[in-house]
Parts: sequence; C-alpha cells; structure tokens
Amino acid sequence: DAKTTQPTSMDCAEGRAANLPCNHSTISGNEYVYWYRQIHSQGPQYIIHGLKNNETNEMASLIITEDRKSSTLILPHATLRDTAVYYCIVRVGARGLTFGKGTHLIIQP
Amino acid sequence: DVKVTQSSRYLVKRTGEKVFLECVQDMDHENMFWYRQDPGLGLRLIYFSYDVKMKEKGDIPEGYSVSREKKERFSLILESASTNQTSMYLCASSLFAGAFNQPQHFGDGTRLSIL
Repeated sequence: DAKTTQPTSMDCAEGRAANLPCNHSTISGNEYVYWYRQIHSQGPQYIIHGLKNNETNEMASLIITEDRKSSTLILPHATLRDTAVYYCIVRVGARGLTFGKGTHLIIQP
Repeated sequence: DVKVTQSSRYLVKRTGEKVFLECVQDMDHENMFWYRQDPGLGLRLIYFSYDVKMKEKGDIPEGYSVSREKKERFSLILESASTNQTSMYLCASSLFAGAFNQPQHFGDGTRLSIL
C-alpha cells in the first residue's frame, strides 16, 4: 500500500466546512483512497472511498486531484461530534489496513 | 447499516489464562479481520478470514489463534495470555473476498488488560 502524508492536527469552527488534505504521491493506478475516522475509545469508522472521480455520501465529500497524488476530505458542516482522528489510506486488495498517524481534527464551538 | 459487534468493551484477565474474544457481523460479509491497536504502533493485523473455516495469518499472529465456524462469527483466542497482549482489540468485516474496493467496517473494540 502506498504511503500517505497528513497534517498532524487541524482546527475548524463548528458549522464551517472542514477540509482535510492527504498526499499520496506514490499511489499506483489500481489503488483506492479511503478515509476513516476514530473517535476516542471507539473503533474506526469508515467514511468514504474513491479511485479517480470525486465522491460524495451522507457524511462527506472526497476530492481526488487529476494526477491522483493528493486528495481532500470535506466535512461540509462540521459539528463537535466530528472531533476525531482522521486517517487517509491508499490500498488495493482485501487484506488488512494500515493506519498512519492521521490528522487530529478539533472542532471548536 | 453494517453492524459489527464485539462481545465485551472491557475485559480483565490473568496471565496464563486462555482468553476468547468474540465478534459477530450481521451483513453476510465474507471477510473478517482481527487487529490490535497500541499507542505509537497503530493498527496491526493479527489474523483474517475470507470464508468459513478459512484463516490467514496477518502481521503479528504469534500467541493468537482464530476460529470461524459460521460466516457471521469470528473468534480470537489468546492461548496463554501474557501482559504484552494488553491492548485494544478491533474486529472488522468487509463484503467480498475478491473485491478490491470494499471498505472494512469495525466494531467498537475490546480493551483487554492482562494482569
């Protein structure tokens, strides 16, 4: 699986859009970009994934650059409950996941 | 919604005991996984299974075994618990064995302490 780079931490005001970047410059053509988050003392929660096209679901949007070397997870209207560690993963295959250090997103009231 | 249920949130056991951690998923998923998560070490794969009675070793299988007698249930067994197995244990499942783009869905974890 390709390596990813994320900022260690970010702040966002409640009600604003939270934009979380991820660099994955060594991504290969068949690797998907996945986003998970983990709220303290809970299991990781799947958010969204994509290959080339931008994706949107009820939780978030995923924007992948045309060269696929970076992506951005967008939480459109952040709430206090969105405070968590967010993990960006690139992978192919159905084997185990590897989480990096992720981004600690803090939503400020 | 996918539901992955782990039998205990918190568990305390003694050194040398045989420990069973149970995981059940309700979405007819083929793949099931056991991880442990430790501060500074991230998520590490212990074992996974892509079908009933099938299992494969992950990155850190030593000291553990697994059982998958039914599709919905995947058990992790600590044969003789040791203090270095104190950790958060996470179970996950995903849909198809051969699909490359299926997300894994996690349970809430079992925080296991070995005294």
